[in-house]
Amino acid sequence: SQTIHQWPATLVQPVGSPLSLECTVEGTSNPNLYWYRQAAGRGLQLLFYSVGIGQISSEVPQNLSASRPQDRQFILSSKKLLLSDSGFYLCAWSYGQRNQPQHFGDGTRLSIL
Amino acid sequence: AQRVTQPEKLLSVFKGAPVELKCNYSYSGSPELFWYVQYSRQRLQLLLRHISRESIKGFTADLNKGETSFHLKKPFAQEEDSAMYYCAPSRVFKAPDFGNEKLTFGTGTRLTIIP
Repeated sequence: SQTIHQWPATLVQPVGSPLSLECTVEGTSNPNLYWYRQAAGRGLQLLFYSVGIGQISSEVPQNLSASRPQDRQFILSSKKLLLSDSGFYLCAWSYGQRNQPQHFGDGTRLSIL
Repeated sequence: AQRVTQPEKLLSVFKGAPVELKCNYSYSGSPELFWYVQYSRQRLQLLLRHISRESIKGFTADLNKGETSFHLKKPFAQEEDSAMYYCAPSRVFKAPDFGNEKLTFGTGTRLTIIP
């Protein structure tokens, strides 16, 4: 069966520090991968999506970047964190077919001090 | 602009009473529609999707293209239905559309079932 792992579960970082959140999927090949952010009191906002290795599309301009170095690995990064980067970050995957649901990880709660 | 609106942030319903969670969308074309649910201390997960025309845990959702709505309904609420519910239309992000879709989530409705 397919599983998705996301870590760390929580992270506290100072302003200006770098960031690396990792997400891996097991049990499937060539999944679509997604990074979302959920700010307090708001819905999930799609940040990045990827349909293959090295293929990253950004949804919104921001201080973050994403990379997909391997088929089932998706990384969310920043060189210098801002206070506004605080939030709950979710990784998800789906099959690359029409109308397939997305499967979510447990999320990472990021607090910027 | 493509939007999805869930007008109720909070909804409290007595056990056994009917439940309706509202969702309205503003999309060009014909999006596919999903409802996702997050129970306490669990992952966000798919509840149901329009294309399947199914009933999951007693919930159904009817697509009304005229009103551009996809409301989630259940005739008799149960305590275990308490959760956060998100409406999520999908849209194609790359041609050809096969496999290249992305979801836009509403802000969610927190449903509380009162015993």
